[in-house]
Amino acid sequence: AQSVTQLGSHVSVSEGALVLLRCNYSSSVPPYLFWYVQYPNQGLQLLLKYTSAATLVKGINGFEAEFKKSETSFHLTKPSAHMSDAAEYFCAVSGGNTDKLIFGTGTRLQVFP
Amino acid sequence: EAGVVQSPRYKIIEKKQPVAFWCNPISGHNTLYWYLQNLGQGPELLIRYENEEAVDDSQLPKDRFSAERLKGVDSTLKIQPAELGDSAVYLCASSLGRAGTDTQYFGPGTRLTVL
Repeated sequence: AQSVTQLGSHVSVSEGALVLLRCNYSSSVPPYLFWYVQYPNQGLQLLLKYTSAATLVKGINGFEAEFKKSETSFHLTKPSAHMSDAAEYFCAVSGGNTDKLIFGTGTRLQVFP
Repeated sequence: EAGVVQSPRYKIIEKKQPVAFWCNPISGHNTLYWYLQNLGQGPELLIRYENEEAVDDSQLPKDRFSAERLKGVDSTLKIQPAELGDSAVYLCASSLGRAGTDTQYFGPGTRLTVL
């Protein structure tokens, strides 16, 4: 069975500061890992995904995440926050193939000017 | 390319009334999902279709919820009768193929309020 823990339900940063959103996973099989973003009153949009290729995954809007098996982590980072990054971010895990996607509880990112 | 379309976007009903949500997936996507998203939570899978077959409905409360995907394209999710606790956002998503690996594309959701 798979599960995801997102540390910190709220994260606040200043515009231009580093963004770090934490995600730890549990999986009995090699995991597939995803980060989704949700803007108010919208559906989820894929930022990036890890599928056992390169451990450093680059996504859209300048985000990237690094898969660390030893730490069972898949933290999301962005070097410089922009006001438009304010949204809810969800980490998700699956066991691959036909296994379903399990989402974390989300982290709300606030960006202050 | 058009995204996943859902309607209505908002629905307010009284408890014990029926309600239905409609979803049109991205053209060519064989796999369709319905998710429930409670306030402050991540989406939770209700049911997954591969073409017209429901292959995972283990989390669907079958006493009041039903779903169908006729002809393997559009899908409808129904609640009858609705309860206060059903107030949430109902998300539809679709993917080309495999549930665990292929990117899932989400619609904007239907926000249901049960009074």
